[in-house]
Amino acid sequence: KAGVTQTPRYLIKTRGQQVTLSCSPISGHRSVSWYQQTPGQGLQFLFEYFSETQRNKGNFPGRFSGRQFSNSRSEMNVSTLELGDSALYLCASSLEFRPEDTQYFGPGTRLTVL
Amino acid sequence: QKEVEQNSGPLSVPEGAIASLNCTYSDRVSQSFFWYRQYSGKSPELIMSIYSNGDKEDGRFTAQLNKASQYVSLLIRDSQPSDSATYLCAVNSWGKFQFGAGTQVVVTP
Repeated sequence: KAGVTQTPRYLIKTRGQQVTLSCSPISGHRSVSWYQQTPGQGLQFLFEYFSETQRNKGNFPGRFSGRQFSNSRSEMNVSTLELGDSALYLCASSLEFRPEDTQYFGPGTRLTVL
Repeated sequence: QKEVEQNSGPLSVPEGAIASLNCTYSDRVSQSFFWYRQYSGKSPELIMSIYSNGDKEDGRFTAQLNKASQYVSLLIRDSQPSDSATYLCAVNSWGKFQFGAGTQVVVTP
């Protein structure tokens, strides 16, 4: 099976712009989670989607949003970019979101905000 | 208090020795536990999962879980330079994953 894929792999934006990142989960996986990783904060949970519904959300401002499509692919959007949004954005998929389900990570999108 | 805590390291381990990593968690109803390895600039990759008290071995890796004490550990036997990475502990509580900040391991020849 192909792994989790994320596009694009690298992005450079300027403050005030918006950005959309894409994630395709492992075939058959229905849950997609998004994380932000920075050197100072580690892995921070953004949100999780299952069957096109956001089920869990982390403590991020409303500038961060996401959605999931019927084929389980997911996108996240960040509007009005700030310098502090520079990070590695990771997508992880799992079969569902049960305790026994394992999350598998994509390669990430590295976003740089200038 | 963070919900999942790990020593940040770096943990320096001579090649061939055993590396011991610890993780504590605060949510008593946490149900499953995972160790991920992350190389610099790469995404986390799953090493092991453990769900019940006791030890679970997979090759050179052994995970240990003690729910009463709310800790999970990872032992890496016969450490190799390729084991130099950051190891993330993750806890699944009712479907919500929480990660520790990670322990950096440096294996010295």
